[in-house]
Amino acid sequence: AQSVTQPDIHITVSEGASLELRCNYSYGATPYLFWYVQSPGQGLQLLLKYFSGDTLVQGIKGFEAEFKRSQSSFNLRKPSVHWSDAAEYFCVSTGGGNKLTFGTGTQLKVEL
Amino acid sequence: DAGVTQSPTHLIKTRGQQVTLRCSPKSGHDTVSWYQQALGQGPQFIFQYYEEEERQRGNFPDRFSGHQFPNYSSELNVNALWLGDSALYLCASSSSGARGYGYTFGSGTRLTVV
Repeated sequence: AQSVTQPDIHITVSEGASLELRCNYSYGATPYLFWYVQSPGQGLQLLLKYFSGDTLVQGIKGFEAEFKRSQSSFNLRKPSVHWSDAAEYFCVSTGGGNKLTFGTGTQLKVEL
Repeated sequence: DAGVTQSPTHLIKTRGQQVTLRCSPKSGHDTVSWYQQALGQGPQFIFQYYEEEERQRGNFPDRFSGHQFPNYSSELNVNALWLGDSALYLCASSSSGARGYGYTFGSGTRLTVV
């Protein structure tokens, strides 16, 4: 069965610092991978997605992620974090079928 | 263009009761999926409806059932509620064959079972 692991439950960074959120997936083939963000009272918003091709994908709000097959990873990065980026971030995969498999999430806190 | 609309936004139920949650998909979408998000957890897939039939189901008991109407809106029903059903229930809509990338999520219904 496919699974997604986000090893960091909480991360705190200073505004303007760089950010990397870790994600590892488990799936026999190459899954479709996504990063979603969830702010309090808001629905889940798609930041970026990877299906195939270029392993470095660009998303909204200045986020990017790199797919590394050898490490089964899909880490999310941002060069300079803004206070408004404070939220919960989910790494998500889907393989065969239509269901999305979510990681447990990483709560990002931004210190001013 | 309206996104996914869920109602109600919050509700409180007593153990043993039944609850119905509603979802209107984004315009142009024909597929509705439901997810349960317990506190501190990622959303868990409950089931997906397409053409008024359950197309795929996650590891949830039969107490969880659903329905999709001809206008593509959907209901999630939970019978015999227990405390562990307290969670945020999210609805996601998509176009058939989108394979995940076209999902639009609603803001959810916060269910509290007391």
